[in-house]
This record gives sequence, C-alpha cells and structure tokens, in this order.
Amino acid sequence: GIQVEQSPPDLILQEGANSTLRCNFSDSVNNLQWFHQNPWGQLINLFYIPSGTKQNGRLSATTVATERYSLLYISSSQTTDSGVYFCAVPRGSRLTFGEGTQLTVNP
Amino acid sequence: GAGVSQTPSNKVTEKGKYVELRCDPISGHTALYWYRQSLGQGPEFLIYFQGTGAADDSGLPNDRFFAVRPEGSVSTLKIQRTERGDSAVYLCASSPTSFPQYFGPGTRLTVL
Repeated sequence: GIQVEQSPPDLILQEGANSTLRCNFSDSVNNLQWFHQNPWGQLINLFYIPSGTKQNGRLSATTVATERYSLLYISSSQTTDSGVYFCAVPRGSRLTFGEGTQLTVNP
Repeated sequence: GAGVSQTPSNKVTEKGKYVELRCDPISGHTALYWYRQSLGQGPEFLIYFQGTGAADDSGLPNDRFFAVRPEGSVSTLKIQRTERGDSAVYLCASSPTSFPQYFGPGTRLTVL
C-alpha cells in the first residue's frame, strides 16, 4: 500500500516563530488532506489540497503531486497551534495517515 | 451546521464484554468511515459505508468487529468479546462523496 512519511516527528517552537511541516508519499495521489489533532483528540480539517497552494489565515499548504510531497506552513505560531498535525492520502476510498508531527508552541 | 457526533465519548468495559459505539454523520453525507487510533499513531481504516451497504470492510481486524448503517445515516460499530488490545480511540468520519472526510470527536474505549 501507499506509504506516508511526515517530518519532523517532533517540533518545539517559541510563540511567534514560523515552521514548515513536510509530508512525503510513495505513490501518485489525486488528493491530500492536512489535519490538526488538538489536545482533546479532535481531528480538525485544515486543508483539502490535491495540488497547488492554499492559504487560510496564518496557515498555508502546498502540494506538488508530481514530486509526491506536501508542505504545511505555520506562520507567527501561537500556543493554540500545539497538537499533532497529520497528512492523509487516499487509497481507494480510505485515507492513509502519516504518523504525524507533534508540535509544541511555548509562550 | 452540526458536525459528526459520536457517543459515548468514553467507554470503559471489562475483557470479554460486548460494546456498541455510535456515529451520527453530517446530514446528507452518504459516505461514512470508521477508523481506529492507537496512542502515538495516525488513525487506521476499519470500514467504509456508501449509503446502507459496507463498500469496504477490509480494515476490520477480525470477526469480533462488525458495523451497520441500516438507514444510511447513523452507524453503529459493534465489538464482541472485547480484548485489552481493542483499547483505542474509535473515530468516525463522513463525506458527501469520498473526500474530503470530516471527523467526529471519537470514542475512547478502554478494556480492563
């Protein structure tokens, strides 16, 4: 099956810093989702981004499907950005998730 | 509008007991998914419904696990003879087609 790798596995930032999270996948895909799992366990949709670039406030994402990677940018990080960030790609109708990036933003 | 809801939020049971977990998808979403998430890992697929029928149940780990969606809306995941290894967060997602998928808050199952 398709492999999804995320890096870095852990990231600690000071409030206000910027960061880039990476998602590599082993096969071509026609869509990709980024999620934020908050400390209460809720998976929150950030982006549905098959290709190109999307922006939502301080967050943006870029997927380069031909090179099999996606990037999530977080600018001016806040403590509420803490949690685990997952990317997920489809295999049939199911999503295959990476292992996530654990982000901690310190005040 | 209302998102995906799941009940109960927490369930503690004893080894060998039977449990049912409920998922209420977003209104109008025909696709419904169950995933399971163990500590420190990403969610793993269990089963997918399109309407009332299970279109893909290849992620169910064994025949102790079963899910239904009799009217094409609410779904119930049923686990018989629970084992300690079944302890995890069970997540439900729904979608108007297949993607994007929208997740509920999950049910944390603990088997003692």
